[in-house]
Amino acid sequence: EPEVTQTPSHQVTQMGQEVILRCVPISNHLYFYWYRQILGQKVEFLVSFYNNEISEKSEIFDDQFSVERPDGSNFTLKIRSTKLEDSAMYFCASSSLRDRGPGNYGYTFGSGTRLTVV
Amino acid sequence: AQKVTQAQTEISVVEKEDVTLDCVYETRDTTYYLFWYKQPPSGELVFLIRRNSFDEQNEISGRYSWNFQKSTSSFNFTITASQVVDSAVYFCALSEPSNRDDKIIFGKGTRLHILP
Repeated sequence: EPEVTQTPSHQVTQMGQEVILRCVPISNHLYFYWYRQILGQKVEFLVSFYNNEISEKSEIFDDQFSVERPDGSNFTLKIRSTKLEDSAMYFCASSSLRDRGPGNYGYTFGSGTRLTVV
Repeated sequence: AQKVTQAQTEISVVEKEDVTLDCVYETRDTTYYLFWYKQPPSGELVFLIRRNSFDEQNEISGRYSWNFQKSTSSFNFTITASQVVDSAVYFCALSEPSNRDDKIIFGKGTRLHILP
């Protein structure tokens, strides 16, 4: 079964440093997402990306965040100057909106990157 | 606006008991999808089920069953004969698909403890 792959699985970074979280979506998917889960809390939508541009972003997704699909296979989330409160699990997801029929679900989450800012 | 409410923050039951996790949602759209995800201690999100708004049939998959009631905007999840391996956080979620994206709105989750 196709998977969304996220690297690294864990990352520790110093406050103020830039960090890039990487994701390889499923190859025929066209829509890409990042979600964030602060420890013990719910999973929150950050941003969606389609046709090489952001289609929607949440209030959380401020100027310190950016997303990119640099080479047609990877999908990255960059946090420019990390803060302690950016410590969270970050999930990448991809979907194929065509695959919405019964029994055929194309929305897939990666296993997450646990980011710790110290 | 979309909203998903999981009123039960934490539930503990003894192994082999049945347990129902409640989920109530709000949406203005007539076309929407509802989901349940399991998050074990390892942290990944495990997809359990998707239901679209036009399909109110209840579903059973092994020990899992789901009850979708549009009249009460609820999508409850029941585990029959619970097992210790069912211990996890369970999230109910909602999406209102559009041509732009298919973002998912999650509830706060219910932490389920199955006691041996």
